[in-house]
Amino acid sequence: KQEVTQIPAALSVPEGENLVLNCSFTDSAIYNLQWFRQDPGKGLTSLLLIQSSQREQTSGRLNASLDKSSGRSTLYIAASQPGDSATYLCAVRRYGQNFVFGPGTRLSVLP
Amino acid sequence: SQTIHQWPATLVQPVGSPLSLECTVEGTSNPNLYWYRQAAGRGLQLLFYSVGIGQISSEVPQNLSASRPQDRQFILSSKKLLLSDSGFYLCAWSEERGSEQYFGPGTRLTVT
Repeated sequence: KQEVTQIPAALSVPEGENLVLNCSFTDSAIYNLQWFRQDPGKGLTSLLLIQSSQREQTSGRLNASLDKSSGRSTLYIAASQPGDSATYLCAVRRYGQNFVFGPGTRLSVLP
Repeated sequence: SQTIHQWPATLVQPVGSPLSLECTVEGTSNPNLYWYRQAAGRGLQLLFYSVGIGQISSEVPQNLSASRPQDRQFILSSKKLLLSDSGFYLCAWSEERGSEQYFGPGTRLTVT
């Protein structure tokens, strides 16, 4: 059974810092991985979808990398801003199956 | 562009009362639809998914049921709510099972 963990559970950084969020999964036979952000009391917003054949995906200040063999993905946020404060979730899936979500990392960017 | 709606946004219901939450998607055809629950301090749990009208798969045994009466409409129901049904309910869609998912704004349910 696929298990997804995210470390740290919470992170607080000053504005302008570059930071890395981690996502680990137990079954490396994944088809793709998706990163989301969730603002308090809101739905999830898709950030990046990375296919198993890809090593990384970029969108603006965000860069997601994937290392299937080690069961890890990282989300890199450059030049963090207070507006980046949210909970970040990763989700992985095998082909033909549904996504399995991690518990999330709560990020606070202090002005 | 595609949009996904959920209503109501918030709901307070007494134990034993019925429940009906609605989700609709616009701008796409034959989407895969999903109901998730997010309980306080816990991760996102998939409750139901549907690949077409009348086709519902349940991921976990529970007090809830789902229906898909129309292509872009997904309904979550209960005949008698339990305290443990409280949580944040999220609907999502994708073009096919496991492709990129897009979420609705959610419904906050409090059972008293």
